[in-house]
Amino acid sequence: LAKTTQPISMDSYEGQEVNITCSHNNIATNDYITWYQQFPSQGPRFIIQGYKTKVTNEVASLFIPADRKSSTLSLPRVSLSDTAVYYCLVGEGYGGSQGNLIFGKGTKLSVKP
Amino acid sequence: EPEVTQTPSHQVTQMGQEVILRCVPISNHLYFYWYRQILGQKVEFLVSFYNNEISEKSEIFDDQFSVERPDGSNFTLKIRSTKLEDSAMYFCASSEGRTRAYEQYFGPGTRLTVT
Repeated sequence: LAKTTQPISMDSYEGQEVNITCSHNNIATNDYITWYQQFPSQGPRFIIQGYKTKVTNEVASLFIPADRKSSTLSLPRVSLSDTAVYYCLVGEGYGGSQGNLIFGKGTKLSVKP
Repeated sequence: EPEVTQTPSHQVTQMGQEVILRCVPISNHLYFYWYRQILGQKVEFLVSFYNNEISEKSEIFDDQFSVERPDGSNFTLKIRSTKLEDSAMYFCASSEGRTRAYEQYFGPGTRLTVT
């Protein structure tokens, strides 16, 4: 499994765009990049997954450069309710995987009014 | 929206006792998982379950742990003889199938306190 590195914490204000970058220098060809969100005292929640370039859904965008050694989760116009820990996970996404998610320490995002 | 449910929300037990944590995964999901999170630490994978058998387990999932799908809806985690270090939040998760194994739906968790 590729090792990931992300900032321990980030602060933002309501209405701002937040970008959380994750480094994964030893990502393998078959690896996908997946982001989860966890609110205090709750289970993690899937946000988005991608392989290369850009992926967008109703919650976030994921930017992956051509070399795939990093990725950036972009949260548009955050609100107080986006205060959570965000995890970057890298591993096989389609087939061939048992699906066990390996979580790191994540990035604790604090959104202030 | 369908969701994973877990009971109880909080379980207090004495060291050496057996506990069973229960989960009801999303009905059309085929893969089931247990994770745990010790307070202030990261979420750790315990075991995955598919087609009525364990698919994969971590080093944490030793002989004290077992999982079962006793009927068509429940998925349980049993700890035979609890230790103080088993105190943690235990999360159950489920996913549709192999091609979407990365998208797991987690339950709200059971907080286990071993005294």
